[in-house]
Amino acid sequence: EIVMTQSPATLSVSPGERATLSCRASQSVSSNLAWYQQKPGQAPRLLIYGASTRATGIPARFSGSGSGTEFTLTISSLQSEDFAVYYCQQYNNWPPRTFGQGTKVEIK
Amino acid sequence: QVQLVQSGAEVKKPGASVKVSCKVSGYTLTELSMHWVRQAPGKGLEWMGGFDPEDGETIYAQKFQGRVTMTEDTSTDTAYMELSSLRSEDTAVYYCATDSSSGFDYWGQGTLVTVSS
Repeated sequence: EIVMTQSPATLSVSPGERATLSCRASQSVSSNLAWYQQKPGQAPRLLIYGASTRATGIPARFSGSGSGTEFTLTISSLQSEDFAVYYCQQYNNWPPRTFGQGTKVEIK
Repeated sequence: QVQLVQSGAEVKKPGASVKVSCKVSGYTLTELSMHWVRQAPGKGLEWMGGFDPEDGETIYAQKFQGRVTMTEDTSTDTAYMELSSLRSEDTAVYYCATDSSSGFDYWGQGTLVTVSS
């Protein structure tokens, strides 16, 4: 089973600043990685797939990079609506379709 | 545009079963690959299982093998997830989600299942 590890668990950022979130896979998942955003009381929303392709309607301030075992989600200039929990998920080798444990982006 | 509307909250006793529905609109169920994900209170996302279009079978997470059954009624475009032998640790929000083969692109609103004696 591929284990996905996200860091940090919590990231404190001021509005307008850049946020960098990391996701590591226990073995290569090629570029078969997705990122999701979840706000309190809401279902997750797909942000990025294929490690770097933004899903429909996702603002350009969100970008993904990486391949193999190391991945990064960058939010270039945090807006108030971006404070949320972010999850990575691999879909290269399943079952299972493992998620990382999440990174909470909070207001500094 | 796919819309997924799930059934309402449930309260169940330990040992009981629960069946959550997920009604599809905008597409037919046969055009989609449906998965189920749950989230315990204050915890992360946990994949439970889903349809693999490559072999035409539903695959379950090992953790839930023998306790979960995912079915589809194509006449009503409704997917179902039934979890049996419920215990308190199964208290969670259960989501259906469609798989674009590049991530889960559409999600239901979630169904809270509370297991309590």
